[in-house]
Amino acid sequence: NAGVMQNPRHLVRRRGQEARLRCSPMKGHSHVYWYRQLPEEGLKFMVYLQKENIIDESGMPKERFSAEFPKEGPSILRIQQVVRGDSAAYFCASSPPDRVEETQYFGPGTRLLVL
Amino acid sequence: GEDVEQSLFLSVREGDSSVINCTYTDSSSTYLYWYKQEPGAGLQLLTYIFSNMDMKQDQRLTVLLNKKDKHLSLRIADTQTGDSAIYFCAETANYGQNFVFGPGTRLSVLP
Repeated sequence: NAGVMQNPRHLVRRRGQEARLRCSPMKGHSHVYWYRQLPEEGLKFMVYLQKENIIDESGMPKERFSAEFPKEGPSILRIQQVVRGDSAAYFCASSPPDRVEETQYFGPGTRLLVL
Repeated sequence: GEDVEQSLFLSVREGDSSVINCTYTDSSSTYLYWYKQEPGAGLQLLTYIFSNMDMKQDQRLTVLLNKKDKHLSLRIADTQTGDSAIYFCAETANYGQNFVFGPGTRLSVLP
């Protein structure tokens, strides 16, 4: 059973471009979470999604950021018109539909660098 | 909002025990976790404890929870150089929907 997959692992964008980060949860997992880790800081919750539904987006910036988890395919975190402050590691985690409370399994992260 | 605090750095000698501490503010926490992050990697779950437990032991790892003081600790026995990493404490109150992470404790193991 492959773990949580994220791609790309590294992404470089110039200011004003769009960044698309993909996350494929573990097989059988229907809950996806996105976190942002700024340099030398802990992880900050951004959004929690189930298939085709956003459950909690309280940690998402109000502008430029969006997330989706379609019925088919990976979850996408989209950042429009990136700025230097968006440079961070973005981690995706997934959990199964039952026993959600036990843990979340993390992907390796996408490191976004905005020039 | 809820907050999780950790000391940022810890150095120990190889073979000694390491104790990493964490405090949290959410009195309704249900699960508390310890994750390990090695350089350039994602987070690896080490262990977790349900809030109605006081202690959990798993090989070299011992987790202690003082719910009254909202204090969680991770003890690593016989610390090895491979244990050098950042250790994150996290808690959830809403049955897994929203994890709150501490800033991480950078553990350095000296030979």
